[in-house]
Order: sequence, then C-alpha cells, then structure tokens
Amino acid sequence: NAGVMQNPRHLVRRRGQEARLRCSPMKGHSHVYWYRQLPEEGLKFMVYLQKENIIDESGMPKERFSAEFPKEGPSILRIQQVVRGDSAAYFCASSLMDTEAFFGQGTRLTVV
Amino acid sequence: DQQVKQNSPSLSVQEGRISILNCDYTNSMFDYFLWYKKYPAEGPTFLISISSIKDKNEDGRFTVFLNKSAKHLSLHIVPSQPGDSAVYFCAAILEGSQGNLIFGKGTKLSVKP
Repeated sequence: NAGVMQNPRHLVRRRGQEARLRCSPMKGHSHVYWYRQLPEEGLKFMVYLQKENIIDESGMPKERFSAEFPKEGPSILRIQQVVRGDSAAYFCASSLMDTEAFFGQGTRLTVV
Repeated sequence: DQQVKQNSPSLSVQEGRISILNCDYTNSMFDYFLWYKKYPAEGPTFLISISSIKDKNEDGRFTVFLNKSAKHLSLHIVPSQPGDSAVYFCAAILEGSQGNLIFGKGTKLSVKP
C-alpha cells in the first residue's frame, strides 16, 4: 500500500506560467489537505478537500490558486501566473476521519 | 499571528541523553496535538499525538506531555540517537474543525554521536 504520492517532486516554472501539483492520497483516505512551507517557515494550511468538495479553503490565497479533488484521479493544486513568491515546498496530506494525517514527500516549486 | 509556537529553532543533544522539544499554543480550543518529524527533502512523518483529555502519552522512546493550564506541550526523546536528527514540528487541531493541522515553525534537533 503506497503512501501519499505527490508529483512532480520538483517543478520549475517561469513567472507567469501555470503550475499544477498532483496528489494521490493513501488508499481508502477521502480527506486531502494541502500545505505550503515557505523558506524558514513552518507548514501553513491551505485547503482541505473531500471527493468533489472543497471543505475549507481559508488558507488559500484569494487569487491565482485553486484546488480540486475529483471523483476519479488525484487532487490537483493549481497556481496560475506564478510569481517568485510562490516558490515553496507544497505538501499534500491525507487522512481518514479523525486520525492523524499522512504526508507526501512534497513538490518543490521554483519560480524563475 | 502564530497560534502554535516553537520558540527554539534548534537544539543540540549528545547521543544517549534526553532531548526535550517544547511547544506553546495560544488557542484554548485546540483539542488534539501531534508531533511530526521531517527530514530534508521529505514530507513530515507522524510521530506521536495526544488528546487534550490526557496529560501524557508514551510510545517507545517518545513521550509527549501536555500541560493545558500552561498551554504547553513537550516531546521527550530518550535515549536520543543520531537518527533522531531532524526538524520536529508541533501541530494542533481545533475542536470541531475538520482536522486541518496548525503547525509551529519547527525545531531542528541535532543528536551528536
């Protein structure tokens, strides 16, 4: 049983391009969370999703960022028109209800 | 506004001795606390947790203590091993929330042989 899978591990984008980060939760997990870690910072909650629903997006920037978790396939975090400040490590986590979250290895986004 | 605070960015301990990592929180509505360990270029790994109805939870070399009146928790590792060297994050979950974790900034533990 694979853990939480994120791809790509590393992503380089030029300013203004779009970044798509993928997360496949652990088998049987229906709760997906996205976190961002900026340099020298802890992990910051971005969004919580269940299948086809956004439950809590209070940590998401209001513009350029969106997330989805379709009925089939991985969860996607999309960043449009990336800027240098978007450079960070993005972690996805999944859980069953009321249990600890398991994290993927993260996607390191670099905007050049 | 940091609701979960880890005031020591780093800690160095000799192998075999005890490591104590501290975490303070400001929101009395947190009801579940977790510690995660993170190696460079990897995702955080769950270590141990504690419910707010308890004051201690032990798992092998790892023990978490919770002092609700002081809004303080600590992670004890004994004996410390070089493989414990990593960044340790304290995290909390708000009562009634959907489970999204609120993290501290982490403490980098170095265990020297």
